[in-house]
Order: sequence, then structure tokens, then C-alpha cells
Amino acid sequence: GPKVLQIPSHQIIDMGQMVTLNCDPVSNHLYFYWYKQILGQQMEFLVNFYNGKVMEKSKLFKDQFSVERPDGSYFTLKIQPTALEDSAVYFCASSSGTGGHERLFFGHGTKLSVL
Amino acid sequence: GQGVEQPAKLMSVEGTFARVNCTYSTSGFNGLSWYQQREGQAPVFLSYVVLDGLKDSGHFSTFLSRSNGYSYLLLTELQIKDSASYLCAVRDGGYQGGRALIFGTGTTVSVSP
Repeated sequence: GPKVLQIPSHQIIDMGQMVTLNCDPVSNHLYFYWYKQILGQQMEFLVNFYNGKVMEKSKLFKDQFSVERPDGSYFTLKIQPTALEDSAVYFCASSSGTGGHERLFFGHGTKLSVL
Repeated sequence: GQGVEQPAKLMSVEGTFARVNCTYSTSGFNGLSWYQQREGQAPVFLSYVVLDGLKDSGHFSTFLSRSNGYSYLLLTELQIKDSASYLCAVRDGGYQGGRALIFGTGTTVSVSP
């Protein structure tokens, strides 16, 4: 079936550094999402993105966060600068937005460890 | 308050059934979904409901009552491989675009022989 790929699977960085998490969504999908999941806790909505713009974002989407999808390539989440509390697994998801818009396809996540 | 609530754990026996409850309170409602998530893996879509009543999808069924802010996922003929976390998610119409999917805490279902 359709797959969402996330690169890398694990990233370790020092606090204060910049990090970019990459997501290769399903090829014909139009809507893109980032979620944050701390170990043992619930998936928390960060942001969704459509037609080159942020559509909705939660309070967790701090000013240090940004998203983009330049020229239809990877959908990225950039954190600059990182903080200790940013340590979590970040899941990317995409959906078609037509008919099946309610179904999200998730990647396997990128585990971010901020030291 | 606003949110999606689920019991943390549920234990059941192979061959029987398990009912995973979900209650939600959001400023708007644009549908409810259920996902399965195995440890260390991506959530996988199971079902989407937006109208009241029971939706039968074979191995599992989903029920929705919008007036009560309540849904359940019913897993029947349980198999050991059904052991996983089951996530309830509500599309919160309170967000401007109406697409933000808000997840509950998840219910870990453990199926024993």
C-alpha cells in the first residue's frame, strides 16, 4: 500500500542546534501533517500543511518550529534552536484530501534525542 | 475540558472480544477515526465514522453517539496478533481548517491465549 517515508529514523543532537526532519509523503497526497509523541504518551497534533501553506497549528508548534515543502520534494519540520523538551518521536502523515481525506497515512517516525 | 479520553489498558482472551471506549469533548466535530499502533511503528488506519450508529467492518465494528460524545471500537474473534495500542482520534472542527486530527491517549489491548 501507499507508504510515507521518514528520514532519519533516529537523530541525536545537542541542545541549541538546528535539526531538520524529512518526510517523503504518498506521491499524490495534498495534505501533510506533523505529530509529536513522547514515550508512553499520546500523539499530539503539531501542524498541517496544504498548497504550500500552514493550515492549522497547535500551541505545541512553537516559534522555533517551521515547515515547508520546497518544489514538491520532502515535507520538512525544522526546529531552530532545539530544546530538551523537543525530545520525542515525530510522526509525519499525509492524506489525499479527496473522498478519503479522513484517512491519514503515517510514517514510522523519527526519534529525536536532544542532549 | 477539551480532549479525547480512553482507558489506558484492556486485557482479553483469544477468541473472545474487546471493546475499546472513547469519549471526546471538542469545540466542533468533523468525524472520528480509529487507528492501530504497534510498539515502535506507525499508526495504521482502521475506521472512520461521522454518523451515529454502528458500522460493521468484519473483524471489528465501530459505534458512534455524537450527542454523548462517545465511540467504541469492538474487536471480535480476538487473535494474539490483535495485541496493540488502539487510538481514537477526533477531527476537531474548532480548528479553522477543520482537519486537525486530535488523538486520545490510546488503549493498550493485550490478548492472552
